[in-house]
Amino acid sequence: SQQGEEDPQALSIQEGENATMNCSYKTSINNLQWYRQNSGRGLVHLILIRSNEREKHSGRLRVTLDTSKKSSSLLITASRAADTASYFCATDDIYNQGGKLIFGQGTELSVKP
Amino acid sequence: DAGVTQSPTHLIKTRGQQVTLRCSPKSGHDTVSWYQQALGQGPQFIFQYYEEEERQRGNFPDRFSGHQFPNYSSELNVNALLLGDSALYLCASSLRRAGILGETQYFGPGTRLLVL
Repeated sequence: SQQGEEDPQALSIQEGENATMNCSYKTSINNLQWYRQNSGRGLVHLILIRSNEREKHSGRLRVTLDTSKKSSSLLITASRAADTASYFCATDDIYNQGGKLIFGQGTELSVKP
Repeated sequence: DAGVTQSPTHLIKTRGQQVTLRCSPKSGHDTVSWYQQALGQGPQFIFQYYEEEERQRGNFPDRFSGHQFPNYSSELNVNALLLGDSALYLCASSLRRAGILGETQYFGPGTRLLVL
């Protein structure tokens, strides 16, 4: 069963705008990761944030983590048409470090030129 | 640096048949995990192999089995296929050494299985 819930399920924006996606989870975690998937292909790893971190940046990506609320957000700034994809959060819980990842349902992002 | 590779890319089978999917991990990685992704859903963990043994297993029936070879590559076998087994099967590799648990899993392009 899925642990994470992502919000919104779908998001449509114009090129140049920012996109924010949210993820909630249920258990205590070791880390939380965000992945991108284009058109039902393989997942591409975007960023990993550990449970003792609150914010992390990578290029146009900013991830925040609030372990007290068991939630995370992914912000993509200055979006491009090439950012159109499905985005998933995945948690690595403290009882299964390096083991299974538990994925959310995903947010489908559409960036219109 | 070779990434994770999977074969075949697409497969069509009929109910009751058996299927074998293959995965080669990213260069230098020793751990392989398999996931099933139904249409419109997030991936679900099937199992993980390390040192040629199944280390963790998700909520999948015994019809799903696997193997890891000495070169770290892996196979996923599904017996007695059901219509509901139609999905994208993803392989992910990571590095697990003594005292170090590789946190990031790198995914292959997947094998799309259709069961008719």
